[in-house]
Amino acid sequence: DAGVTQSPTHLIKTRGQQVTLRCSPKSGHDTVSWYQQALGQGPQFIFQYYEEEERQRGNFPDRFSGHQFPNYSSELNVNALLLGDSALYLCASRRRTGSKTNYGYTFGSGTRLTVV
Amino acid sequence: GQQVMQIPQYQHVQEGEDFTTYCNSSTTLSNIQWYKQRPGGHPVFLIQLVKSGEVKKQKRLTFQFGEAKKNSSLHITATQTTDVGTYFCAGPSRGSTLGRLYFGRGTQLTVWP
Repeated sequence: DAGVTQSPTHLIKTRGQQVTLRCSPKSGHDTVSWYQQALGQGPQFIFQYYEEEERQRGNFPDRFSGHQFPNYSSELNVNALLLGDSALYLCASRRRTGSKTNYGYTFGSGTRLTVV
Repeated sequence: GQQVMQIPQYQHVQEGEDFTTYCNSSTTLSNIQWYKQRPGGHPVFLIQLVKSGEVKKQKRLTFQFGEAKKNSSLHITATQTTDVGTYFCAGPSRGSTLGRLYFGRGTQLTVWP
């Protein structure tokens, strides 16, 4: 059990469509980051949410947007899907407060998105 | 921009042999983290190193953080088939301990029985 829950696990969409991916962080965690992992690559940072605001953003176009809810859960939205958006989308959470203890992120099992 | 590089990309060893993966950052890091991703799985946090020259051990795994805090290594002694997976190093944004992580491309380890 990863502690971070993502849904759905798999998704097939057509080019041009829109998709919403969901993430529930590990209990006690308040910070959520989203990563895109292409086959054979390391995870690439999309953005991070804390206190319901986007705090950091990677090099992804505006087609990628997100949201964090008061219960710390988060959504990743991708508009106008391209074939190149096919990847594993990972949600990672950690506890920000008291973060000087320094520990790593807990990742979810991911959503495998295929764009056809 | 900030980059994290890992070598080798692939490593095939026979069970019982040792394995080492190396990680280099283009910038000085406040910390370095290591993750393991099993085939078809998700990254799992292994360890974080913070201090210059730090060495940490987890059973057969030894992690080192370079003196300049720009490089790191993971060494596995006497590999087992359960060690199969891709090992990633990751460092935070320059000047940060939180937030964005820059991941290396990973080293994919295959262990023959």
